[in-house]
Amino acid sequence: ELKVEQNPLFLSMQEGKNYTIYCNYSTTSDRLYWYRQDPGKSLESLFVLLSNGAVKQEGRLMASLDTKARLSTLHITAAVHDLSATYFCAVTTSGTYKYIFGTGTRLKVLA
Amino acid sequence: GAGVSQSPSNKVTEKGKDVELRCDPISGHTALYWYRQSLGQGLEFLIYFQGNSAPDKSGLPSDRFSAERTGGSVSTLTIQRTQQEDSAVYLCASSQDRGGYGYTFGSGTRLTVV
Repeated sequence: ELKVEQNPLFLSMQEGKNYTIYCNYSTTSDRLYWYRQDPGKSLESLFVLLSNGAVKQEGRLMASLDTKARLSTLHITAAVHDLSATYFCAVTTSGTYKYIFGTGTRLKVLA
Repeated sequence: GAGVSQSPSNKVTEKGKDVELRCDPISGHTALYWYRQSLGQGLEFLIYFQGNSAPDKSGLPSDRFSAERTGGSVSTLTIQRTQQEDSAVYLCASSQDRGGYGYTFGSGTRLTVV
Protein backbone atom coordinates (compact mmCIF):
# COMPACT_ATOMS: atom_id res chain seq x y z
CA GLU A 1 0.00 0.00 0.00
CA LEU A 2 1.36 3.37 -1.02
CA LYS A 3 1.89 5.73 1.90
CA VAL A 4 2.95 9.35 1.76
CA GLU A 5 4.49 11.23 4.66
CA GLN A 6 5.28 14.90 4.94
CA ASN A 7 7.64 16.63 7.30
CA PRO A 8 7.21 18.84 9.14
CA LEU A 9 3.47 18.88 9.81
CA PHE A 10 3.64 22.43 11.12
CA LEU A 11 6.15 25.10 10.26
CA SER A 12 6.38 28.61 11.64
CA MET A 13 9.07 30.73 10.09
CA GLN A 14 10.18 34.30 9.87
CA GLU A 15 9.89 36.32 6.70
CA GLY A 16 13.07 36.24 4.68
CA LYS A 17 14.15 32.81 5.87
CA ASN A 18 14.61 29.65 3.81
CA TYR A 19 13.12 26.27 4.58
CA THR A 20 12.40 22.89 3.03
CA ILE A 21 9.34 20.67 3.26
CA TYR A 22 9.90 16.96 2.69
CA CYS A 23 7.61 14.40 1.10
CA ASN A 24 8.51 10.71 1.40
CA TYR A 25 6.56 7.89 -0.17
CA SER A 26 6.71 4.19 0.37
CA THR A 27 6.60 2.49 -3.05
CA THR A 28 7.73 3.18 -6.58
CA SER A 29 6.02 6.15 -8.14
CA ASP A 30 6.52 8.02 -11.35
CA ARG A 31 4.60 11.18 -10.68
CA LEU A 32 4.44 13.60 -7.81
CA TYR A 33 2.28 16.66 -7.33
CA TRP A 34 2.40 19.63 -4.99
CA TYR A 35 -0.73 21.56 -4.04
CA ARG A 36 -1.39 24.61 -1.94
CA GLN A 37 -4.52 25.10 0.18
CA ASP A 38 -5.48 28.39 1.81
CA PRO A 39 -7.81 28.24 4.84
CA GLY A 40 -11.35 27.51 3.78
CA LYS A 41 -10.33 27.24 0.16
CA SER A 42 -9.78 24.46 -2.30
CA LEU A 43 -6.49 23.04 -3.53
CA GLU A 44 -4.41 24.89 -6.07
CA SER A 45 -1.94 22.99 -8.23
CA LEU A 46 1.64 24.18 -7.80
CA PHE A 47 3.93 21.65 -9.46
CA VAL A 48 3.77 18.42 -11.43
CA LEU A 49 6.98 16.38 -11.30
CA LEU A 50 7.07 13.64 -13.90
CA SER A 51 10.51 12.08 -13.75
CA ASN A 52 13.54 11.43 -11.61
CA GLY A 53 15.60 14.57 -11.16
CA ALA A 54 12.78 16.88 -12.19
CA VAL A 55 13.08 20.37 -10.77
CA LYS A 56 10.50 23.10 -11.12
CA GLN A 57 10.49 26.64 -9.80
CA GLU A 58 7.81 29.27 -9.45
CA GLY A 59 8.66 32.44 -7.63
CA ARG A 60 10.00 31.63 -4.17
CA LEU A 61 9.05 27.94 -4.40
CA MET A 62 11.15 25.19 -5.94
CA ALA A 63 10.19 21.51 -6.06
CA SER A 64 12.36 18.53 -6.87
CA LEU A 65 11.90 14.81 -7.22
CA ASP A 66 14.28 11.93 -6.48
CA THR A 67 12.46 8.73 -7.41
CA LYS A 68 15.31 6.52 -6.23
CA ALA A 69 15.13 7.97 -2.73
CA ARG A 70 11.32 8.20 -2.99
CA LEU A 71 11.61 11.80 -1.89
CA SER A 72 10.38 15.16 -3.06
CA THR A 73 11.29 18.49 -1.55
CA LEU A 74 9.54 21.85 -1.66
CA HIS A 75 12.07 24.58 -0.95
CA ILE A 76 10.99 28.02 0.14
CA THR A 77 13.37 30.89 -0.48
CA ALA A 78 13.13 34.19 1.41
CA ALA A 79 9.64 33.45 2.72
CA VAL A 80 6.93 36.11 2.64
CA HIS A 81 3.64 36.23 4.52
CA ASP A 82 1.64 35.42 1.37
CA LEU A 83 3.13 31.93 1.35
CA SER A 84 1.26 31.05 4.54
CA ALA A 85 -0.93 28.06 3.63
CA THR A 86 -1.06 24.29 3.87
CA TYR A 87 1.04 22.43 1.32
CA PHE A 88 0.21 18.91 0.21
CA CYS A 89 2.17 16.47 -1.87
CA ALA A 90 0.42 13.67 -3.71
CA VAL A 91 1.73 10.59 -5.47
CA THR A 92 0.39 8.15 -8.01
CA THR A 93 1.72 4.77 -9.01
CA SER A 94 2.24 3.72 -12.56
CA GLY A 95 -0.95 3.02 -14.42
CA THR A 96 -3.23 4.44 -11.76
CA TYR A 97 -5.09 7.68 -11.46
CA LYS A 98 -5.66 7.80 -7.72
CA TYR A 99 -3.64 10.40 -5.93
CA ILE A 100 -2.45 9.43 -2.47
CA PHE A 101 -2.01 12.60 -0.48
CA GLY A 102 0.34 13.38 2.34
CA THR A 103 -1.11 14.80 5.55
CA GLY A 104 -0.02 18.30 4.61
CA THR A 105 2.39 20.86 6.04
CA ARG A 106 0.81 23.91 7.61
CA LEU A 107 3.14 26.83 6.96
CA LYS A 108 2.89 30.10 8.81
CA VAL A 109 5.20 32.93 7.82
CA LEU A 110 5.57 35.55 10.51
CA ALA A 111 6.07 39.16 9.55
CA GLY B 1 -17.48 25.89 -17.28
CA ALA B 2 -14.29 27.69 -16.34
CA GLY B 3 -13.71 25.65 -13.21
CA VAL B 4 -15.06 22.78 -11.16
CA SER B 5 -18.27 23.87 -9.50
CA GLN B 6 -19.63 22.28 -6.34
CA SER B 7 -22.89 22.85 -4.53
CA PRO B 8 -23.91 23.53 -1.91
CA SER B 9 -20.82 25.16 -0.43
CA ASN B 10 -22.07 24.42 3.08
CA LYS B 11 -24.58 21.89 4.33
CA VAL B 12 -25.76 21.30 7.87
CA THR B 13 -27.90 18.24 8.34
CA GLU B 14 -29.34 16.25 11.18
CA LYS B 15 -27.96 12.84 11.98
CA GLY B 16 -29.86 10.17 10.08
CA LYS B 17 -30.87 12.38 7.16
CA ASP B 18 -29.75 11.82 3.58
CA VAL B 19 -27.70 14.43 1.71
CA GLU B 20 -26.75 14.98 -1.92
CA LEU B 21 -23.64 16.84 -2.99
CA ARG B 22 -23.23 18.03 -6.54
CA CYS B 23 -20.18 18.47 -8.74
CA ASP B 24 -20.05 20.06 -12.18
CA PRO B 25 -16.63 19.37 -13.73
CA ILE B 26 -14.71 21.39 -16.27
CA SER B 27 -16.21 20.99 -19.70
CA GLY B 28 -14.37 18.35 -21.67
CA HIS B 29 -12.74 16.69 -18.67
CA THR B 30 -13.44 13.00 -18.86
CA ALA B 31 -12.28 12.04 -15.37
CA LEU B 32 -14.01 13.04 -12.15
CA TYR B 33 -12.93 12.31 -8.60
CA TRP B 34 -14.41 12.70 -5.13
CA TYR B 35 -12.18 13.12 -2.09
CA ARG B 36 -12.98 13.75 1.54
CA GLN B 37 -10.99 16.01 3.85
CA SER B 38 -11.68 15.71 7.53
CA LEU B 39 -10.69 18.49 9.91
CA GLY B 40 -6.92 18.85 10.00
CA GLN B 41 -6.43 15.76 7.88
CA GLY B 42 -5.22 14.96 4.43
CA LEU B 43 -7.39 13.96 1.53
CA GLU B 44 -9.04 10.57 1.37
CA PHE B 45 -9.97 9.13 -2.01
CA LEU B 46 -13.63 8.14 -2.36
CA ILE B 47 -14.54 7.39 -5.97
CA TYR B 48 -13.37 7.92 -9.54
CA PHE B 49 -15.27 8.13 -12.83
CA GLN B 50 -13.59 7.90 -16.22
CA GLY B 51 -15.71 8.32 -19.33
CA ASN B 52 -18.18 5.49 -19.71
CA SER B 53 -16.13 2.99 -17.72
CA ALA B 54 -17.36 1.46 -14.50
CA PRO B 55 -16.41 3.76 -11.61
CA ASP B 56 -13.74 2.85 -9.08
CA LYS B 57 -15.66 2.85 -5.81
CA SER B 58 -12.88 1.38 -3.72
CA GLY B 59 -12.59 4.40 -1.44
CA LEU B 60 -16.20 4.66 -0.37
CA PRO B 61 -16.18 4.13 3.42
CA SER B 62 -19.51 2.34 3.71
CA ASP B 63 -22.58 1.34 1.75
CA ARG B 64 -24.26 4.53 2.93
CA PHE B 65 -22.13 6.34 0.35
CA SER B 66 -22.91 6.24 -3.34
CA ALA B 67 -22.20 8.38 -6.36
CA GLU B 68 -23.32 8.66 -9.92
CA ARG B 69 -22.29 10.61 -12.93
CA THR B 70 -24.91 11.43 -15.51
CA GLY B 71 -24.11 11.92 -19.16
CA GLY B 72 -20.39 11.92 -18.46
CA SER B 73 -20.66 15.31 -16.82
CA VAL B 74 -22.37 16.25 -13.54
CA SER B 75 -21.82 13.96 -10.56
CA THR B 76 -23.82 13.55 -7.38
CA LEU B 77 -22.42 12.07 -4.16
CA THR B 78 -25.16 10.77 -1.88
CA ILE B 79 -24.73 9.97 1.78
CA GLN B 80 -27.62 8.11 3.37
CA ARG B 81 -28.44 8.09 7.07
CA THR B 82 -25.68 10.55 7.84
CA GLN B 83 -23.52 10.10 10.92
CA GLN B 84 -21.43 12.65 12.79
CA GLU B 85 -18.24 11.07 11.51
CA ASP B 86 -19.36 12.00 8.00
CA SER B 87 -18.71 15.65 8.82
CA ALA B 88 -15.94 16.80 6.50
CA VAL B 89 -15.22 18.82 3.40
CA TYR B 90 -16.07 16.87 0.27
CA LEU B 91 -13.91 17.87 -2.66
CA CYS B 92 -14.56 17.11 -6.28
CA ALA B 93 -11.88 17.27 -8.95
CA SER B 94 -11.74 16.70 -12.66
CA SER B 95 -8.99 16.10 -15.18
CA GLN B 96 -8.34 15.41 -18.80
CA ASP B 97 -7.82 11.71 -19.35
CA ARG B 98 -6.33 9.96 -16.33
CA GLY B 99 -5.07 12.97 -14.44
CA GLY B 100 -1.41 12.52 -15.22
CA TYR B 101 -0.87 16.25 -15.41
CA GLY B 102 -2.84 17.13 -12.34
CA TYR B 103 -6.38 17.53 -11.15
CA THR B 104 -8.41 20.72 -10.90
CA PHE B 105 -10.30 20.84 -7.64
CA GLY B 106 -13.59 22.48 -6.85
CA SER B 107 -14.07 24.63 -3.78
CA GLY B 108 -15.70 21.82 -1.84
CA THR B 109 -18.84 21.23 0.18
CA ARG B 110 -18.48 21.53 3.93
CA LEU B 111 -20.83 18.99 5.48
CA THR B 112 -21.71 19.23 9.15
CA VAL B 113 -23.83 16.51 10.73
CA VAL B 114 -25.43 17.57 14.01
